[in-house]
Amino acid sequence: QLQVVESGGGVVQPGRSLRLSCAASGFTLSSYAMHWVRQAPGKGLEWVAAISYDGSNKYYADSVKGRFTISRDESKNTLYLQMSSLRAEDTALYYCAREVIPVAAVGGIDNWGLGTLVTVSS
Amino acid sequence: QSALTQPASVSGSPGQSITISCTGTISDIGGYNYVSWYQQHPGKAPKLMIYDVNNRPSGVSYRFSGSKSGNTASLTISGLQAEDEGYYYCSSYTTRTTHSYVFGTGTKVTVV
Repeated sequence: QLQVVESGGGVVQPGRSLRLSCAASGFTLSSYAMHWVRQAPGKGLEWVAAISYDGSNKYYADSVKGRFTISRDESKNTLYLQMSSLRAEDTALYYCAREVIPVAAVGGIDNWGLGTLVTVSS
Repeated sequence: QSALTQPASVSGSPGQSITISCTGTISDIGGYNYVSWYQQHPGKAPKLMIYDVNNRPSGVSYRFSGSKSGNTASLTISGLQAEDEGYYYCSSYTTRTTHSYVFGTGTKVTVV
């Protein structure tokens, strides 16, 4: 069954780091571009980062560039988001999701997980 | 990245058709056929309804359709049903900065 499951969220102090994980099943990460999208409490969706199907290209929103790093482990079929220098405005539910078409870089984001909540607070 | 512009709310009666607009620029909607639409019910994850402007993923009702004209994309829901109530977000590939996605501001659809 095709699904992604996020984990790793929690409460963290400003300036600290946190790593989110996204375990994929029913498909292989090496066939699809993958995304992280976040949603602050009561707010809309914000795209955060993406990695191409072959892992060669990584893209980031301006709001996280230089602080967040997207990566993956093909042997574990798991996607990661390393977040550093966290700020209060990074507080959100972080979703992992898959590009709708294999190999394609853009088009639509499908198969969303349930998300993992990150709260940045002192 | 500046968000795409959507109306805050749209409402309709059961059986009617409604259209949600999504306005961007030549750097996103106007320049590329990579517009997608998402439905989100309260407390739930978003669901992809339309990709590449007018394609429906498997399992999405034919009542949902997408289109684009210039810098504006539209989502039309025909035969409105109570279960269609929720939030809808558009999204587009953008080159305002480097390769990335940008989401719309979101539209609350109410079935009255």
